[in-house]
Amino acid sequence: DQQVKQNSPSLSVQEGRISILNCDYTNSMFDYFLWYKKYPAEGPTFLISISSIKDKNEDGRFTVFLNKSAKHLSLHIVPSQPGDSAVYFCAASANGNEKLTFGTGTRLTIIP
Amino acid sequence: DTAVSQTPKYLVTQMGNDKSIKCEQNLGHDTMYWYKQDSKKFLKIMFSYNNKELIINETVPNRFSPKSPDKAHLNLHINSLELGDSAVYFCASEKGGFHTGNTIYFGEGSWLTVV
Repeated sequence: DQQVKQNSPSLSVQEGRISILNCDYTNSMFDYFLWYKKYPAEGPTFLISISSIKDKNEDGRFTVFLNKSAKHLSLHIVPSQPGDSAVYFCAASANGNEKLTFGTGTRLTIIP
Repeated sequence: DTAVSQTPKYLVTQMGNDKSIKCEQNLGHDTMYWYKQDSKKFLKIMFSYNNKELIINETVPNRFSPKSPDKAHLNLHINSLELGDSAVYFCASEKGGFHTGNTIYFGEGSWLTVV
């Protein structure tokens, strides 16, 4: 039973436009959410996170939005750059638990 | 059916003990990984196997030894456990080789506490 779902395996976006990656979760106990970015042949690297007490967190070109009622979060990248081409993973944890539950990832391709 | 399953999910053990964490994937993937999650929720790759062959062995102590009896299994054995080994360990699998950049399926994680 997949508690964190990324329903789009892949996404292509024109350079300079906005990339929106989506993530849905089913466990209402999740209260902390993270996005990781993974290049081929490398491990995932932490990108941005958000606590359930917030509905938005911004860091440069990256913004994560959280809609708790819909159990949905999204990562916005604007403007998209070629170096953003990677696989993006959504992850969640509950009640300060260190363990993360991961989605299966979305491969983002930025078209020059 | 769980795609990537790890056992045990929680393990508390004393310093100096030897323990193993098992991982199995039923996806038919060729590549499997072990990651260590640190206190800041950063994931560090430890090992990668492709079709039972070791591809990546990052700088981890020799006390950590992966074993892949077949391409569906990648077990992590840890000798002489130390306090600093306390972490969550994630197994993952990926279709194709290490360089394909496909999506990865993560296990639920195994939370190791060394006391």
